[in-house]
Amino acid sequence: ELKVEQNPLFLSMQEGKNYTIYCNYSTTSDRLYWYRQDPGKSLESLFVLLSNGAVKQEGRLMASLDTKARLSTLHITAAVHDLSATYFCAVDAHTGTASKLTFGTGTRLQVTL
Amino acid sequence: NAGVTQTPKFQVLKTGQSMTLQCAQDMNHNSMYWYRQDPGMGLRLIYYSASEGTTDKGEVPNGYNVSRLNKREFSLRLESAAPSQTSVYFCASSVTHWIYEQYFGPGTRLTVT
Repeated sequence: ELKVEQNPLFLSMQEGKNYTIYCNYSTTSDRLYWYRQDPGKSLESLFVLLSNGAVKQEGRLMASLDTKARLSTLHITAAVHDLSATYFCAVDAHTGTASKLTFGTGTRLQVTL
Repeated sequence: NAGVTQTPKFQVLKTGQSMTLQCAQDMNHNSMYWYRQDPGMGLRLIYYSASEGTTDKGEVPNGYNVSRLNKREFSLRLESAAPSQTSVYFCASSVTHWIYEQYFGPGTRLTVT
């Protein structure tokens, strides 16, 4: 059974600081996704990581994937208040015809002034 | 394009009542999914449909049934609602090729009393 662990579960950080969220998973997969969720809202896709060593960047967020270590990281550079949200990683145990995502429990990020 | 739409947005049921959650997508995706999200947790897969005419169980299928009505629509039925089914339900869809990125609907907040 695929298990996905995120840490930390809660992160309070000051504007301008850097931090990293970690996503570890238990079985082999070469597809990992990062989503953002604002309170009471749906999930918004941030990054799709499809191979070992994949690195994607969008604004102040950068995601990477190490399939050998079964680890993905989401790095936040110079945080701003607008990044406050819950971030989920999801690992794909794809069947060949559909993806089967297992989500981490999420990291609630709070950026303070 | 509306993307993925869900109805209703909110619903309150009494224990033992039944209801159907509706989901439709206009992106011509082959695969569709139902998830539930409980407070402080990630999403868990209930059922999925890799293509029109097929459905498969996910991680937490007990107490639910699904119907893939056509390529656009995928419904989730609760035959006899229980308080443990109080949750937010999300529908998603994806293409069936390499990326498999899932796009989520706005969610249905269900309370069972």
